Amino acid sequence: QLQLQESGPGLVKPSETLSLTCAVSGGSINRSTYYWGWIRQPPGQGLEWIASMYYSGSTQYNPSLKSRVTIFVDTSKNQVSLKMTSVTAADTAVYFCTSHLGAYFAYWGQGALVTISS
Amino acid sequence: QSVLTQPPSVSGAPGQRVTISCTGSSSNIGAGYDVHWYRQLPGTAPKVLIYANNIRPSAVTDRFSGSTSGTSASLAITDLQAEDEADYYCQSYDKTLSGWVFGGGTKLTVL
Repeated sequence: QLQLQESGPGLVKPSETLSLTCAVSGGSINRSTYYWGWIRQPPGQGLEWIASMYYSGSTQYNPSLKSRVTIFVDTSKNQVSLKMTSVTAADTAVYFCTSHLGAYFAYWGQGALVTISS
Repeated sequence: QSVLTQPPSVSGAPGQRVTISCTGSSSNIGAGYDVHWYRQLPGTAPKVLIYANNIRPSAVTDRFSGSTSGTSASLAITDLQAEDEADYYCQSYDKTLSGWVFGGGTKLTVL
């Protein structure tokens, strides 16, 4: 059973870069079955897929965020990370680390609230 | 504006049957991509309820079922119980966006 745990700063200033890390346990991040991804949920709103990465290194990004987002893995630490540049208040959200078996998101972290404010 | 459209809210009395619709387009559900459903309790991460249109994980009660038709999908909940109160989301893949998409979510209230 995979377990995912997000970590990162809870507060980021506008125009700066948001960095989040997800520690994966219970399985290797190199496992060919899984995609690793990030999903966010602004307060009181719905879910928005941000980015996903296959173990091979191929990536997919939400077109609306693609210019500001990078997803990458650190296989030595069994971690998947997200960087989002030039953040604004609209990026305030709970960010979930996920692992999906192709089409659906089977495993979720508990989520990390990131507030964008000066 | 979500790519998949869900009603913001539905309600029903205990023991009743309710359905939650999820309307997409020829770029996602209508293109044959599977629909998946999640339930989210306040302050927690979503959990998959139905995957691949109508498959329940082993831990999910058979009171929940999914179906698809054309560009739409539905989640049915029978014998409604108080603990079913939650937010429900549908999800699929969109070939135009080349990415995964969600519905806006439906809040289920048990009267």
